[in-house]
Formats: sequence, C-alpha cells, structure tokens
Amino acid sequence: EVQLVESGGGLVQPGGSLRLSCTASGFTFGDYWMHWIRQDPGKGLVWVSRINGDGSRISYADSVKGRFTISRDNAKNTLYLQMNSLRAEDTGVYYCARGIRGRYGNDYWGQGTLVTVSS
Amino acid sequence: QSALTQPASVSGSPGQSITISCTGTSSDVGSYNYISWYQQHPGKAPKLMIYEVSNRPSGVPDRFSGSKSGNTASLTITGLQAEDEADYYCRSYTTSSTFVFGTGTKVTVL
Repeated sequence: EVQLVESGGGLVQPGGSLRLSCTASGFTFGDYWMHWIRQDPGKGLVWVSRINGDGSRISYADSVKGRFTISRDNAKNTLYLQMNSLRAEDTGVYYCARGIRGRYGNDYWGQGTLVTVSS
Repeated sequence: QSALTQPASVSGSPGQSITISCTGTSSDVGSYNYISWYQQHPGKAPKLMIYEVSNRPSGVPDRFSGSKSGNTASLTITGLQAEDEADYYCRSYTTSSTFVFGTGTKVTVL
C-alpha cells in the first residue's frame, strides 16, 4: 500500500526557517517524481515544487524560488522541503504527492502538515 | 503565474449532469494536454479524478469525464451522486515547466 507521511510543520516567525519531510512507503521511491503542494487556510491549492526520481530535475513556483529548496534521499525514502525566509503568505497545509510514473498527475497524497508563519 | 479560472460553485440534483470549466491561457491549458482534476472532501487530502485531460485512474467511476478545447478544460459528472459533493480543482502544466491550479469549484448536490 502506497503511503506518504508528512512531518515537520509548526509555528514559525516571519523570516524563520522550517524543514518539512515526507516519508514514503509501498513503492520504489526513486522511480517517481515527487511534488509539494500547499493549501492556503480555507482556500485553494497552490503548487510549490517538484523533483524527479534522481534529484537532477527540479522546479519551483515563482513565489518560493530562492527561498525554498526541495530535495530527496532515496536511501531513506524521504522527500524534503527546506523553507527559509518564511512569510505570512507561506502559511498553509503542505502536502507531498507522488507523480504518476511517466504521466502528468498526482495519484497519491499525504495527509498534510500545517505550517503557520506568524509573530 | 495566475490561477486558472473555475466557477466558485456548481450545483445539481441527484442523477443530473454537471460540468465544471477551467479556463487558462495559451501558456498553460492551451499549450499542453497535461490537465488533471482533483476532488477534495472537507478535511481530506485531494484525490486524483482525471489526468492528462481525459484519463481516469483505476477506481474512479466512469461518470467522471474530462475534455479540453483551446484554453478551457472541463470536468463532467454524469449521474450526480450525493458523495460527489466536494471541492474540485483543475491543474495544468505550464510553459515555464511549472504547474498551476484552478481557483476551485464547490459542487453541491441538491
């Protein structure tokens, strides 16, 4: 059974940092693109970043470029999102999601972890 | 990258058909057939309903279908059921090698 479990969320002050983790199980982690997606409180979904299976191809939304870094450790079946220079507008539930192998779409999602940026 | 435009709400009676539109630009929806649709019930993670415009993952009922014309993609639910009441989001790949979600549509089953 495919499972994705996020962790690392919490309350952080503006300008602070946080690292999110997503631990995967039930599939060959290194064979899949992985994404981070944010849901603003009571609002819609926002795509944040993605990384390919071996970590050689990465892209970011303009709103986080230069502040967030996506990475992965395939030996640990874990995806990361290092978030620096956090702003209030980064607040939300962060989901990790698996990309369909060879196709465009996210077929499995974690339960999400809440990040709150506030003083 | 601006969010794709979806109607805020759509409603229908059980058994009826509804269609949710998702309008973008030539830099996203109009450029690729990489449109996906997600269903989200309150307090739950999104669920993939359609990928690459019209493909249904295994387990998704065939009353869900997708299409695209120009800069607008659509999700149609035929034979609406009570459990279809949820929020729906479209998503497109973009010419900047990023992704953009739609604004979301709340589907109400009357």
